[in-house]
Amino acid sequence: GAVVSQHPSRVICKSGTSVKIECRSLDFQATTMFWYRQFPKQSLMLMATSNEGSKATYEQGVEKDKFLINHASLTLSTLTVTSAHPEDSSFYICSARDEPEAFFGQGTRLTVV
Amino acid sequence: GQNIDQPTEMTATEGAIVQINCTYQTSGFNGLFWYQQHAGEAPTFLSYNVLDGLEEKGRFSSFLSRSKGYSYLLLKELQMKDSASYLCAVNSGGGADGLTFGKGTHLIIQP
Repeated sequence: GAVVSQHPSRVICKSGTSVKIECRSLDFQATTMFWYRQFPKQSLMLMATSNEGSKATYEQGVEKDKFLINHASLTLSTLTVTSAHPEDSSFYICSARDEPEAFFGQGTRLTVV
Repeated sequence: GQNIDQPTEMTATEGAIVQINCTYQTSGFNGLFWYQQHAGEAPTFLSYNVLDGLEEKGRFSSFLSRSKGYSYLLLKELQMKDSASYLCAVNSGGGADGLTFGKGTHLIIQP
C-alpha cells in the first residue's frame, strides 16, 4: 500500500519557539494532504487541508497564523507550529489520499515546555 | 453538522468474535473507513466501504448500510494484539476532503 512518511516522530521545544513537521508521500503524488491533531483519549480532529500550489484550507477555530502550512510539491507538505505554547502539546498526524484509501503518517508527538 | 457515534469501550475474549458498531449523520457521504490505532501510534487502515454490503479481509469484515447510516466492524478469532482503539471515519465530501472521525472504540481483549 501507499506510504506516508512523517518527521520528526517526537519533538520537545521551549515555549515561544517554532516547530516544523514534514509529511511526505513516498510512492504516490498527493495534490491534497490533511493535517489532524489528536489529544489524549480523543479522536482525530481535522485541522487543515493542504493544497499543492495554493493556500491551505483551515477548519473553523484553527488559527492560520499559528499553524503555517506549505505544500510546495506533490509529495511534501509541512506544518509549522509558530510561537508554540504548552497547550499546543499534542499528537499531530498527516494524511494523504490514494483514492479511495487514506493513509496516515507515523505522527509527531509535540511537547512544549 | 457531522456526527459519528461508536461505543467508547468494549471487552472481548481471546479467540472470540466482536462487532463494533458505528452510526453516522453527515452532510454527504463518499465512503466509510475503519482504522486501528494503538496507543501513541498513527492509525492504520483496515477497511473501506462505499456501497452497501459486507467487505471481508481475513479476520476483519466491515458492513455498510447507507440508508440506515450504519456500519460495523467484525473481528474474528480475536488475538491479544487486537487490543487497540478502532476508529470509524466518514468521507462526507470528495477526494479533496478530510475525514470526520468518531471518538473511537477502545477494545480490550482478555485471555
